Amino acid sequence: KNQVEQSPQSLIILEGKNCTLQCNYTVSPFSNLRWYKQDTGRGPVSLTIMTFSENTKSNGRYTATLDADTKQSSLHITASQLSDSASYICVVRDNAGNMLTFGGGTRLMVKP
Amino acid sequence: SAVISQKPSRDICQRGTSLTIQCQVDSQVTMMFWYRQQPGQSLTLIATANQGSEATYESGFVIDKFPISRPNLTFSTLTVSNMSPEDSSIYLCSVEGPSRTGELFFGEGSRLTVL
Repeated sequence: KNQVEQSPQSLIILEGKNCTLQCNYTVSPFSNLRWYKQDTGRGPVSLTIMTFSENTKSNGRYTATLDADTKQSSLHITASQLSDSASYICVVRDNAGNMLTFGGGTRLMVKP
Repeated sequence: SAVISQKPSRDICQRGTSLTIQCQVDSQVTMMFWYRQQPGQSLTLIATANQGSEATYESGFVIDKFPISRPNLTFSTLTVSNMSPEDSSIYLCSVEGPSRTGELFFGEGSRLTVL
C-alpha cells in the first residue's frame, strides 16, 4: 500500500531560525513529489515539485531535496518568518494509476 | 494556474440536515476533485466529479452521503447529507493544472461544523 509519512507532526521555532521537515514515502512506481503549504483557513498551495532526476530545488527560502533511492524528501526553510507558520503537506504521485498519496502534514509555528 | 471559489466558506449546521457546497473555477476543466480534511489531519479524496457522467467515489465514500453535481466544465457542487458531528471537517474543491506534472489548485475550503 502506498504511504507517505511526515515528521515531525508539529514544530515550533523562533523567527529567523532554520528548520527541516521530512517526508518518507513508499509510493511505487514514483512519478513526482510535491510540497504544499497550507495557511490556516486556506487551501494548499504548491511550493515545489521534485521529479525522479532532481536532487535539490530551491524556491526562495524553501529548499527541497529528494533521495529517490531511500525514498525520502526534505523541505528546508531558511531564516524563518512569521508568515511561514502553516501546515506543510508532502504529496507523492505514482506513475502507474496516476494516483496521489498525501502525507499527514507538519504543522509549523514560527514565534517572534 | 486556476482560481477556485468555494461557498460557503463556513457554516454551522444541525445534526440530520444537509448542506450543499458550491465550487466555481475560472476556466474549463475536465475533472474536479472534492477532498475532506478532518481536524488536524491531511486531505482525503472523496470523489472525482466528471462533467457529463457520474462522479467516481473513493473507498469509504458513497453517493447517498455525498451526492455530487457537475452541470458544466466550470462548476460543481458537493452535498453532505444527513449530517452528524463526525462530518465536521473542511471540504476542499480542487482542479489539476494544465502542466503534465499535475499541480493541484485548491479552493479556500468550506469549514463545516455539525452540532
